[in-house]
Amino acid sequence: AQKVTQAQTEISVVEKEDVTLDCVYETRDTTYYLFWYKQPPSGELVFLIRRNSFDEQNEISGRYSWNFQKSTSSFNFTITASQVVDSAVYFCALSEAPGGSYIPTFGRGTSLIVHP
Amino acid sequence: EAGVTQFPSHSVIEKGQTVTLRCDPISGHDNLYWYRRVMGKEIKFLLHFVKESKQDESGMPNNRFLAERTGGTYSTLKVQPAELEDSGVYFCASSQDMYFQETQYFGPGTRLLVL
Repeated sequence: AQKVTQAQTEISVVEKEDVTLDCVYETRDTTYYLFWYKQPPSGELVFLIRRNSFDEQNEISGRYSWNFQKSTSSFNFTITASQVVDSAVYFCALSEAPGGSYIPTFGRGTSLIVHP
Repeated sequence: EAGVTQFPSHSVIEKGQTVTLRCDPISGHDNLYWYRRVMGKEIKFLLHFVKESKQDESGMPNNRFLAERTGGTYSTLKVQPAELEDSGVYFCASSQDMYFQETQYFGPGTRLLVL
C-alpha cells in the first residue's frame, strides 16, 4: 500500500531563512507521481509541482526547489530566503500507475510559519 | 478561467442535522473528486465521479454520506444525519482525465463543524 509521511508537523522560521520540508513515501510501484500542494490561509490547495518516478532531476522554480531521491524514497521541498507569504500548510502526495491507485495519497501536511 | 469553487465556505450545524455541500469543478473537467481532512490528519479520498457516474466511492465512510452529480456538472455531498466525527474540511477537486499522472485542482474547501 502507498503511504506518504511528512514527519514535520510545524516549522517556524524567521523571514529570509531557508527551510526544507521533508516528504518520505512508500510504494511498491516502479511508476508513480509525486506532488506538492500549498494551502495558504485562504484555504484552497494550490498545485506546486508534479514529478514522475523516472525523472530524478532536481527542479528549481524561483525560490522553490525540490530534491527527489529514489534511493531514500524522499521528495523534499526547499524554500530559499523564506517570506511571510510562504506561511501555509504544505502537502506532499503520491499517486501510482494503473494497477495501483491513481487516487493520490496525501501526507498529513507541514505547517510553515514564517515570522517577519 | 475560474477554478474549482465550493459552497458554503463554512458550516456549523448540530448533531443530527443535515448539511449539503456543493462543488463546481473547472469547466470541461469530467472528473470530480471529494476529499476530507480531519484536523491535523491526512487528506483522505471520499469518492470520484466521471461525468455523472460514480467511478470509485470506496472512501465514503458510511451511508450517512450521499454524493450526486446530476448532469455531470456540479456535485453535492449531503451528510444526513451529521455526527460529531464528520467535522473537518471537505475538499473538492477536478481534473481533465483520470490517469494517475493527472494533476487534480482543488477548491478552497468547506469547513464543517458538527456540535
